[in-house]
Amino acid sequence: NAGVTQTPKFRILKIGQSMTLQCTQDMNHNYMYWYRQDPGMGLKLIYYSVGAGITDKGEVPNGYNVSRSTTEDFPLRLELAAPSQTSVYFCATSRTNYGYTFGSGTRLTVV
Amino acid sequence: DAKTTQPPSMDCAEGRAANLPCNHSTISGNEYVYWYRQIHSQGPQYIIHGLKNNETNEMASLIITEDRKSSTLILPHATLRDTAVYYCIVRVAIATDKLIFGTGTRLQVFP
Repeated sequence: NAGVTQTPKFRILKIGQSMTLQCTQDMNHNYMYWYRQDPGMGLKLIYYSVGAGITDKGEVPNGYNVSRSTTEDFPLRLELAAPSQTSVYFCATSRTNYGYTFGSGTRLTVV
Repeated sequence: DAKTTQPPSMDCAEGRAANLPCNHSTISGNEYVYWYRQIHSQGPQYIIHGLKNNETNEMASLIITEDRKSSTLILPHATLRDTAVYYCIVRVAIATDKLIFGTGTRLQVFP
């Protein structure tokens, strides 16, 4: 039982490049979330999903896209990387009235 | 915006109780108080949550005032491993009500 798995753990991107951050869960939770955390700050919600085929924007969605084709997977796509997207990205899952379970994060640097 | 106010930092001696306050004066009747912590750069970890009664689990106790406008997280015997940023969050206990993080309290436990 791995919980929430994020890959890669670290990545350096050049400005304008694209990449997908992967998030997979084996807890059969319907709800999944993507957060970013800038240095010294709290987490900001990017996108979330309440089930396969359903996604919605969070607080800071610009520059990102998501999809949810299965219960297990919730990838986050960066199309044109910018230095402002340098951050640590966390994926999380939950079910109603229980706490969130977070992954270990992806540290992204855009240069 | 976060609906809670926390002190930016606190210190606690190892073995003593750590009492972390949180103000949530605008909390609604159906909103719970959740506590999470983030150790170093790991993903946040769920600690405890409550509605109006005091709660206790193996990690901590949560004391909520009768008017529900403030609460205190208590770590009864703090250890060095409890050094972390602690986030107090209010939200309705359904998964579609997202976790909105503030900047939290940085707790430093010293020997």
